[in-house]
Amino acid sequence: AQSVTQLDSHVSVSEGTPVLLRCNYSSSYSPSLFWYVQHPNKGLQLLLKYTSAATLVKGINGFEAEFKKSETSFHLTKPSAHMSDAAEYFCVVRGAGSYQLTFGKGTKLSVIP
Amino acid sequence: NAGVTQTPKFQVLKTGQSMTLQCAQDMNHNSMYWYRQDPGMGLRLIYYSASEGTTDKGEVPNGYNVSRLNKREFSLRLESAAPSQTSVYFCASSGQGAYEKLFFGSGTQLSVL
Repeated sequence: AQSVTQLDSHVSVSEGTPVLLRCNYSSSYSPSLFWYVQHPNKGLQLLLKYTSAATLVKGINGFEAEFKKSETSFHLTKPSAHMSDAAEYFCVVRGAGSYQLTFGKGTKLSVIP
Repeated sequence: NAGVTQTPKFQVLKTGQSMTLQCAQDMNHNSMYWYRQDPGMGLRLIYYSASEGTTDKGEVPNGYNVSRLNKREFSLRLESAAPSQTSVYFCASSGQGAYEKLFFGSGTQLSVL
């Protein structure tokens, strides 16, 4: 069984400051981990994915995430927030060989001008 | 390239009515999924189809049925709608393999009165 916990339901940052969205996971096997973003009234779009090739994963729009097995974490970061980053972000885990993805409950990111 | 197309975008039903949500993808993907999204709950898997001709239950299948009509199309049916099925429904597809990213449709907002 697998699960994912997003530690903050809402994060607010000022434009130009760093973004940190936190995610912890639980999985019986080596997991695949993803971050998806959902802009208002839109479908979800993949930001980045971890598949065991490298612990630091770079994604689109300047986002990156670091897989830390010892901490069972996969936090999403960005050095400098932009207004267009305001959206809801989902951390997702997929068990080895499984078709089922488990989504976190989401973190809503607000960016203050 | 349309990607994943869902119809309708909006629907209002009365309790007990039935309806079918349609989904089609043009990316030659093997796997297709139906999710529902409720506030504060993230996305929860209803049913998925790993390949043409197969369907499997996800986390919340009760009250739903699915049909994988062919490789392109995957429909979701509510036989007797209930207010608890008020939600936003997303169809998604992915290529072969556990690491493939999901491509999402733009969603169907369903209200059951």
